[in-house]
Amino acid sequence: QVQLVESGGGVVQPGRSLRLSCAASGFTFNRYTIHWVRQASGRGLEWVAVVSPDGNHEYYTDSVKGRFTISRDSSKNTLSLQVNDLRAEDTALYYCARQGMSDDWWFDYWGQGTLVTVSS
Amino acid sequence: ERVMTQSPATLSVSPGERATLSCRASQSVSSKLAWYQQKPGQPPRLLIYAASTRATGIPARFSGSGSGTEFSLTISSLQSEDFAIYYCQQYNQGVTFGGGTKVEI
Repeated sequence: QVQLVESGGGVVQPGRSLRLSCAASGFTFNRYTIHWVRQASGRGLEWVAVVSPDGNHEYYTDSVKGRFTISRDSSKNTLSLQVNDLRAEDTALYYCARQGMSDDWWFDYWGQGTLVTVSS
Repeated sequence: ERVMTQSPATLSVSPGERATLSCRASQSVSSKLAWYQQKPGQPPRLLIYAASTRATGIPARFSGSGSGTEFSLTISSLQSEDFAIYYCQQYNQGVTFGGGTKVEI
C-alpha cells in the first residue's frame, strides 16, 4: 500500500535550519510528483513546494522562496525539504503529499506529517 | 492568488441528515477543485477531485458539484464517521485551500 513517512522535524531557534524527509513506498516513486503542504496548529492548509518526478522542476510558495529547497532521491525513494532561515510563522505540521496520476495538483495520499516548531 | 472561501465555518447536523458545504473562489477555477476530509490527528483524505469525481474508495453519499466560482460538497446521509473538517482546494492556478468547514453534531 502507498505510504509516505515524514521525519526531521523538531524545535529550532529562529534563523536556524532543518532538513525534512519523506520516505515513500508502495508505488513507483519516480513516476509521481510529490508536494509539501503545511498546517499550523488549529489552522488551515498551506501549499509549500513541489518537485517534478525527474527532480528537474521545483516551485515554491512566495513566503518560502530563497529559504526552502525541495529535492528528491529516486535511488532511495525519498523526498527532502531543506528549510533555512526559519521564522516563527514557519511553525507547522509539514506533510508530504502525492499528486494524483494526472497533471493536476490534487493529492491522493498524504503522510502523517512532521512537526516544525520555531521558537527562541 | 485565488482565494477560497468556505461556508459555513461550522455546520451542526444530526446523523442521517443531509449536509451541504459551500466553497467560493475569488476568480474562476474552472472545475479544478478538490475536497478533503480531515479528522483530529490525521492528515487530509481526498474525497473529490475535478469538482465532482469521487476518489477511490469514497462512499457514494459524498458528492461534489459546481464549476467556475461556486462549488458544493453534499453528504447525503451523515454517518458518525463523517463528523470532521472539510477543506476545498483549487488547483487551477497554483494551489490554495479554503479555511475549512467543521461538521459537528
